[in-house]
Amino acid sequence: DGGITQSPKYLFRKEGQNVTLSCEQNLNHDAMYWYRQDPGQGLRLIYYSQIVNDFQKGDIAEGYSVSREKKESFPLTVTSAQKNPTAFYLCASSIKSGGSTDTQNFGPGTRLTVL
Amino acid sequence: DQQVKQNSPSLSVQEGRISILNCDYTNSMFDYFLWYKKYPAEGPTFLISISSIKDKNEDGRFTVFLNKSAKHLSLHIVPSQPGDSAVYFCAAVIQHTGNQFYFGTGTSLTVIP
Repeated sequence: DGGITQSPKYLFRKEGQNVTLSCEQNLNHDAMYWYRQDPGQGLRLIYYSQIVNDFQKGDIAEGYSVSREKKESFPLTVTSAQKNPTAFYLCASSIKSGGSTDTQNFGPGTRLTVL
Repeated sequence: DQQVKQNSPSLSVQEGRISILNCDYTNSMFDYFLWYKKYPAEGPTFLISISSIKDKNEDGRFTVFLNKSAKHLSLHIVPSQPGDSAVYFCAAVIQHTGNQFYFGTGTSLTVIP
């Protein structure tokens, strides 16, 4: 089945450690996105990538980094510089970006808790 | 600055009745709007969308209405079912600038059996 996978579902890390969240899609989508969801807030865009080896900062990129070495993979690293890393992280993809709007398909999410 | 707002954090509706979820936006450049449904600990799933050239789009029990002059859209669910209980997010896009979605804060709908 085609879809987006995020692993792990739950992740615990000690304060000060970097952690990388995985996102893989086999939908052959060009664009991929990372969002963060906090209680009482909407989905806020962290980073997005429209093509391989290219990505742009979203609204809350500080303390995060990404890479897009392969079309199907868009890992997100939460660095120790991120002041409030505990959140639910969602990865999404869409067929293309720009022009006609394509629906974004979301993965199941990763709940990161920093102790 | 939140460009897409859902001012009702929660809504309770009796099964069989109509659920109306509202969404307001501030950027008049938005020209495509979507509604997503989200269950706890899962990713959002696409529900229905509407282009700014329309004022209504219907899909089964779900209808989205767009009032461009008021910068307001709403999602109507008729009849509401217990399985509709979830958090609903509206999203807005400026199509020609890319596919960056701006999401609202969500409304938690509870349908009471």
